[in-house]
Amino acid sequence: AQSVAQPEDQVNVAEGNPLTVKCTYSVSGNPYLFWYVQYPNRGLQFLLKYITGDNLVKGSYGFEAEFNKSQTSFHLKKPSALVSDSALYFCVRYNFNKFYFGSGTKLNVKP
Amino acid sequence: GAVVSQHPSRVICKSGTSVKIECRSLDFQATTMFWYRQFPKKSLMLMATSNEGSKATYEQGVEKDKFLINHASLTLSTLTVTSAHPEDSSFYICSAIHGLSLPYNEQFFGPGTRLTVL
Repeated sequence: AQSVAQPEDQVNVAEGNPLTVKCTYSVSGNPYLFWYVQYPNRGLQFLLKYITGDNLVKGSYGFEAEFNKSQTSFHLKKPSALVSDSALYFCVRYNFNKFYFGSGTKLNVKP
Repeated sequence: GAVVSQHPSRVICKSGTSVKIECRSLDFQATTMFWYRQFPKKSLMLMATSNEGSKATYEQGVEKDKFLINHASLTLSTLTVTSAHPEDSSFYICSAIHGLSLPYNEQFFGPGTRLTVL
C-alpha cells in the first residue's frame, strides 16, 4: 500500500499568492514525514520534517507544513509564492525502515 | 548543508556493457547510503540500502546481480549496472545519511546520473 499520496500532479499559482501542495499518508506505522524539492539539474533538497512535537513545522525558503492527524495530511504551504519556487516537490515518509516517496507535484509559479 | 556528489552526471553506453556510478559524501561520513531510480513519471523508487562494510539490502524486484552495490568506505558507494539494456535507461539518484538515528537525520541527495543505454 502506498505510504504517502500526492493527489495533484501539478499546481499552478500566481506569484505573490499563497500556495499549498497536498500530501496524505496512510495510517499504519509512524508518521515521520518530510518534504523535499527537486530543481532541474540539482539534487533533491530538504525543506522540512515532522517527527514529533508541534504540528506546524517551519522549514527552508519560507515553507511550512501542518501535520494533521485527524485528516492524515501533511500539506506544504507558503504564504507568498515566488517564481523561483517553481520545481518538483516530493512528500516523503519514513516507515518500516524505508523512505517512501510520493509521486511528486510540479509547482508552477507564474509572474 | 552536507554535499553529496555523483559521477558521472550522464552516461551513454551500448547494450551489454557495464556502467559504474559513484556516490560520494564530500564533507561528512555516511553510515548509510540509498540508491533510487527516478522514472519518467517523476516518482523515486528505492532500489537498495547500502551500509558501510556490509552487503546492500535490495528492495523486492531489484536484481542484485544486475545492480551491484559496493559501500567500501564511509564516503563512497558505487552502483554498477551490469550488462545494461535499454530498459535500464533511467535517472539514478543516491542519498546519504549522516549518523545512525533514522529518521531523525535527513537524507542528502546527489544530483543524479542520467543513464542511456543504446
